[in-house]
Amino acid sequence: DAGVIQSPRHEVTEMGQEVTLRCKPISGHNSLFWYRQTMMRGLELLIYFNNNVPIDDSGMPEDRFSAKMPNASFSTLKIQPSEPRDSAVYFCASRLDRRYQPQHFGDGTRLSIL
Amino acid sequence: QKEVEQNSGPLSVPEGAIASLNCTYSDRGSQSFFWYRQYSGKSPELIMFIYSNGDKEDGRFTAQLNKASQYVSLLIRDSQPSDSATYLCAVDGGSQGNLIFGKGTKLSVKP
Repeated sequence: DAGVIQSPRHEVTEMGQEVTLRCKPISGHNSLFWYRQTMMRGLELLIYFNNNVPIDDSGMPEDRFSAKMPNASFSTLKIQPSEPRDSAVYFCASRLDRRYQPQHFGDGTRLSIL
Repeated sequence: QKEVEQNSGPLSVPEGAIASLNCTYSDRGSQSFFWYRQYSGKSPELIMFIYSNGDKEDGRFTAQLNKASQYVSLLIRDSQPSDSATYLCAVDGGSQGNLIFGKGTKLSVKP
C-alpha cells in the first residue's frame, strides 16, 4: 500500500519567495496533520483536518502560513513570504479517524530558506 | 497546555542490554499512547501503541503504561546497533486524533 506522499522532498529558495508543500494522504484516511520539526522545538503540530475541514490551526506560526485541503486526497501548506526562520523539515501525517488509530507520516520536505 | 516530557538523552547502552525509555504526560484524560522511532534524516515510524494499564509486548519491544502515575515507558530487549535512533513518545490530544509529541530521547547502542 502506498504511504503518505509528500513533495517536494527538498526545497531551497530565497527569502521572500512563496513556498508550496504538497501531501497526498493514505487512501481511506480522513484525518490529515501538518507538522514542523526543528532541533530546537522538536515536532510541532501546525494544523490538522478532519474530513477536509480544518479543525485546529492554532499551531500555525503566523499569517504567512496557510493550509488547504480541497479534497480527501490532497493538501497543501503554503508559506508566503518565506523567511530564513521557516527552515525546517515539514511532515504530513494521515490517520483513519477511529479510536486508537495511529498517525502515519510521510517522508517529509526539507525546506531551506536562504 | 498539554505536555509530554521525555529525557532528551543521549541514552547509551551496550549491545545486548535492555534500553529503557520513559515518558510522562500532563493530561489525565489521555487514552492512547504511541511510541515512534525516528532515524536521523527520516520520518517518525510507529513501533508500539498502548491504551490499557500494564504491559504490551511485541517482539523485543515492551510498552508499559501507568495511568495513575501518568507514565509510559518503552523497553527494548537485546538492544542492537540498528536500534540507535530517536524515540518519540506521543499521547492523544483528546480530540479527533491529534497527538502531543515529546521532544524525543536519543538512543545509542554501542557494539
